[in-house]
Amino acid sequence: ELKVEQNPLFLSMQEGKNYTIYCNYSTTSDRLYWYRQDPGKSLESLFVLLSNGAVKQEGRLMASLDTKARLSTLHITAAVHDLSATYFCAVDGADRGSTLGRLYFGRGTQLTVWP
Amino acid sequence: DGGITQSPKYLFRKEGQNVTLSCEQNLNHDAMYWYRQDPGQGLRLIYYSQIVNDFQKGDIAEGYSVSREKKESFPLTVTSAQKNPTAFYLCASSIDRREWETEAFFGQGTRLTVV
Repeated sequence: ELKVEQNPLFLSMQEGKNYTIYCNYSTTSDRLYWYRQDPGKSLESLFVLLSNGAVKQEGRLMASLDTKARLSTLHITAAVHDLSATYFCAVDGADRGSTLGRLYFGRGTQLTVWP
Repeated sequence: DGGITQSPKYLFRKEGQNVTLSCEQNLNHDAMYWYRQDPGQGLRLIYYSQIVNDFQKGDIAEGYSVSREKKESFPLTVTSAQKNPTAFYLCASSIDRREWETEAFFGQGTRLTVV
């Protein structure tokens, strides 16, 4: 079974600071996703990463994927309070050539940004 | 507006009772999924379906059942055999075309509590 590990699980940071969330996974996959979840709410898609070396940026968030190292990072630049949420990475565990993806999730990183 | 609708938002179940969670999507997506989320945990896959009248067990299918009689609908029944059903349940759907940059879109969730 594919294992996905995120760290840290809890992150408290001051506004204006930078930090990186890490996502490691155990077996080969060609797709990785980052989601955001606010308390009591559903998941909002942030990034879809499809290939080695892929880098995507949206506002203060930047995600990257290294398929050889089986590692993705979510970098936060100059954090603001609105970024406070739980962030999940998810890896597509479907066999190569199959048409259906099934996601394996990390436990999530609970981010709190304080003034 | 296109989206995924889950109902009810909150559901209370008595011991030994079966309950059904509704999931409807108007995105014309092929694949639909049910995930379970427990506090402090990532999402775990219960069942998934690629086409009408076909579905597969996920990682934690015991005590659950599903049907896929229509492309738009994928209801989940939590049976009395599920001994610890209190959790947040999320339905998702995706286009399921692996050559595309597909991603799963999530409904707003149903919070089930055993009373």
